[in-house]
Amino acid sequence: DQQVKQNSPSLSVQEGRISILNCDYTNSMFDYFLWYKKYPAEGPTFLISISSIKDKNEDGRFTVFLNKSAKHLSLHIVPSQPGDSAVYFCAASALGDTDKLIFGTGTRLQVFP
Amino acid sequence: ETGVTQSPTHLIKTRGQQVTLRCSSQSGHNTVSWYQQALGQGPQFIFQYYREEENGRGNFPPRFSGLQFPNYSSELNVNALELDDSALYLCASSWRAGADNEQFFGPGTRLTVL
Repeated sequence: DQQVKQNSPSLSVQEGRISILNCDYTNSMFDYFLWYKKYPAEGPTFLISISSIKDKNEDGRFTVFLNKSAKHLSLHIVPSQPGDSAVYFCAASALGDTDKLIFGTGTRLQVFP
Repeated sequence: ETGVTQSPTHLIKTRGQQVTLRCSSQSGHNTVSWYQQALGQGPQFIFQYYREEENGRGNFPPRFSGLQFPNYSSELNVNALELDDSALYLCASSWRAGADNEQFFGPGTRLTVL
């Protein structure tokens, strides 16, 4: 039972363009969402988060959008840079169970020159 | 400030054996979470320790157990290893319990069970 889904295993984007990574969830109790970035041989690094009371959160080149009615969130990276090439994980936690992060399967982003 | 460290980096065990993985949390952090990441999957929550007490557990059998020490470092113990236990084991620390606090991950321990 995959409660957090990242249906695109990979994404290839040209440098300078926008990268859009998508994530869908099924558990309506999820109220906090995070994006992590992972380079090979390193642990995941926190990127940006959003609470369910918001529909958008922005941090520099990274913006996360949340559509609660559609149970969908997306991460926008503008402009994309070669250093952004990594695996991106979407994660969620539920009200009352905030200790447990539920991760998606990840999307491998490749930014080419 | 020292980040999250894990040891060993790699480990090879045979089925039925026991293994202990170690994690040193980031300075000032009192919460440690453990995750299992199988190949091609996202990390799966095993359990969390907050101030030396288990503070939440995922769907893992009792042969997965843990400890947190007064200095907030932690161990993950797995008994009676099975082939499916082969995975990357990630430790993450944060300064208090709750997912709205950023979890800082270590580089992981790659466990191979033969």
